[in-house]
Amino acid sequence: DTAVSQTPKYLVTQMGNDKSIKCEQNLGHDTMYWYKQDSKKFLKIMFSYNNKELIINETVPNRFSPKSPDKAHLNLHINSLELGDSAVYFCASSGGGRGQFFGPGTRLTVL
Amino acid sequence: GESVGLHLPTLSVQEGDNSIINCAYSNSASDYFIWYKQESGKGPQFIIDIRSNMDKRQGQRVTVLLNKTVKHLSLQIAATQPGDSAVYFCAEYTTNRDDKIIFGKGTRLHILP
Repeated sequence: DTAVSQTPKYLVTQMGNDKSIKCEQNLGHDTMYWYKQDSKKFLKIMFSYNNKELIINETVPNRFSPKSPDKAHLNLHINSLELGDSAVYFCASSGGGRGQFFGPGTRLTVL
Repeated sequence: GESVGLHLPTLSVQEGDNSIINCAYSNSASDYFIWYKQESGKGPQFIIDIRSNMDKRQGQRVTVLLNKTVKHLSLQIAATQPGDSAVYFCAEYTTNRDDKIIFGKGTRLHILP
């Protein structure tokens, strides 16, 4: 059973399009996160939600909008995609504290 | 801003030898330091962590050492195996900071046959 799952695994799209990435965790955790990993493998947090409430909102363009319909799901919607949005996006979850479980990642390529 | 960083971006080690991956940090208020392993095409995976009031912690084939005097952290992998090939990240966690972990730049570990 996959603890943290993301769909799709690969996403190739044109500049200007709007796309969404979905994340689900079956660990019963209250906190979920979105991270962006660039081509140099640098991993940076974007958002976190605790029990559907936005907790962390780093300096991210407002084209990125997270949505948490329930505490097991945290989706990421991106409007007007730009070339610089190309990256691997990771979802993670945590039961509190420092132990975070990561999903397999979604590789987004903007052409 | 970023508070952890790694000295070497790539490390090549002979299979069977011990690997040492180093990390420097700047935030003296960190409560925990954490090591993650990221294999190709996968998400980061927790390996081991150490509380800031400890100097050493051992796991299965891994040991983390913390030197608070020089703000240095290391991950030692004993008898390195091909399956240890990955990018390793150090990260720091401070309690009551919205459960945010700050990751350093990764080090890629290559295992030579």
